[in-house]
Parts: sequence; C-alpha cells; structure tokens
Amino acid sequence: QVQLVESGGGVVQPGRSLRLSCAASGFTFSSYAMHWVRQAPGKGLEWVAVISYDGSNKYYADSVKGRFTISRDNSKNTLYLQMNSLRAEDTAVYYCAREKVGIFGVVMGNWFDPWGQGTLVTVSS
Amino acid sequence: QSVLTQPPSASGTPGQRVTISCSGSSSNIGSNTVNWYQQLPGTAPKLLIYSNNQRPSGVPDRFSGSKSGTSASLAISGLQSEDEADYYCAAWDDSLNGSWVFGGGTKLTVL
Repeated sequence: QVQLVESGGGVVQPGRSLRLSCAASGFTFSSYAMHWVRQAPGKGLEWVAVISYDGSNKYYADSVKGRFTISRDNSKNTLYLQMNSLRAEDTAVYYCAREKVGIFGVVMGNWFDPWGQGTLVTVSS
Repeated sequence: QSVLTQPPSASGTPGQRVTISCSGSSSNIGSNTVNWYQQLPGTAPKLLIYSNNQRPSGVPDRFSGSKSGTSASLAISGLQSEDEADYYCAAWDDSLNGSWVFGGGTKLTVL
C-alpha cells in the first residue's frame, strides 16, 4: 500500500541543524512532487516546501526560505528536509505528503495524499 | 493568522447536518480548487475532499464539499461520533511566488 514514513526528528538547540527523511513505498516515487507540511503544538497546518518529481524545482514558505532545503533521492525513494539555523518557532510535527493532480471537467486540481505519520522536531536550549 | 478563514469550532448532535465554512480571496480559493483534510485526535491529516467536491474512495458520501467565488464549504450529514476531529481547508495561493495556504482549522464536537 502507499506509505510515507518520516524520521529524523528530535530535540535540537536553537541555531543548530537537523535533517528529516521521508521514506516512500507502494508507488512510483519519481513521478510525484512531494511536500513538507508542519504543525506546531496545538496549532494548525503550515505548508513548508515542495519539490518537483525530478528535483529540478523547489519552493519554500517565506518562514523557512534561506534556512531549509528540500531534496530527494529518487533512487532511494526518499525525501529530505535539511533544516539549518533552527529557531524555537520551528518546533512542530513535520509531515511529508505526496501531491496528486487531476482534471475534472475543466477544473484541474492538486491535493496532498497520503500524508506520513509525522516526526516531532523540538527546538529548545 | 491563517490566510484562509475557518470558524474555530462547530458542533452538532448525532444525525444532524453541520457545515464548516472556509473563506479566502481571489488569489487562492477564487482561482484554485479547494481541498479538505480531516485530522482525528493524535493522528496525521487525511484527505477528505479534493478539487472542491471530489470524494476519495473510502470516504463516506455523508461528506460533501462545495465552492462559490472566494468561499468553500464542507458539509457533514448524518453526523456520527467518529466524525469528531479537526477539519482544515487548503488551496494554492497565486500571490507573490505562490504557496499552499491552509485554514486555521475547525474543531468539530459531536454532542
């Protein structure tokens, strides 16, 4: 079955770095754009970054631009998020998600499905 | 402050119909499709409605979505206790460099 499994979360001091991984299985990983979405404790969802199916295009939320880098290794079916210069406000559960695209009549849509189970990143001294 | 606006809470009794609204602007809902995600307590978000009104396989037809102009709605009919969850709307936003935006979430309580 289609599955995404995140890893790499933990407790890190402000200013330090951490790399998250997302292992994909059950689908052709190299055919899909992939995203990172985070959720601070008790808060809503915040989109973080997207990478195209081949890694050639990457976009980031303003809140992480210049500090986070999204990448992928299609030979290993794995998505990554390198997080540098971490701040307390980066504390969150980080989810990876696959992007699907479809056309319904004249309407083209994109959506996230599935999502991984998430990995918790805590930035604290 | 979320780009998409949802009521923070909603409630209903078993069997009732409830709706959750999601308000945006011309750069997001007004020009792109809307998706809805359900997050049960302690779990990851799950796709509930995509492309405004499409239901993934496995999602009961009690759940429906609609969009008009710069607003969208999620309707749940025949409310059940297992529907108690947080619900989020989402859409692509064309402004600046573009980004995905979410609503702040609506906590649905089944009384």
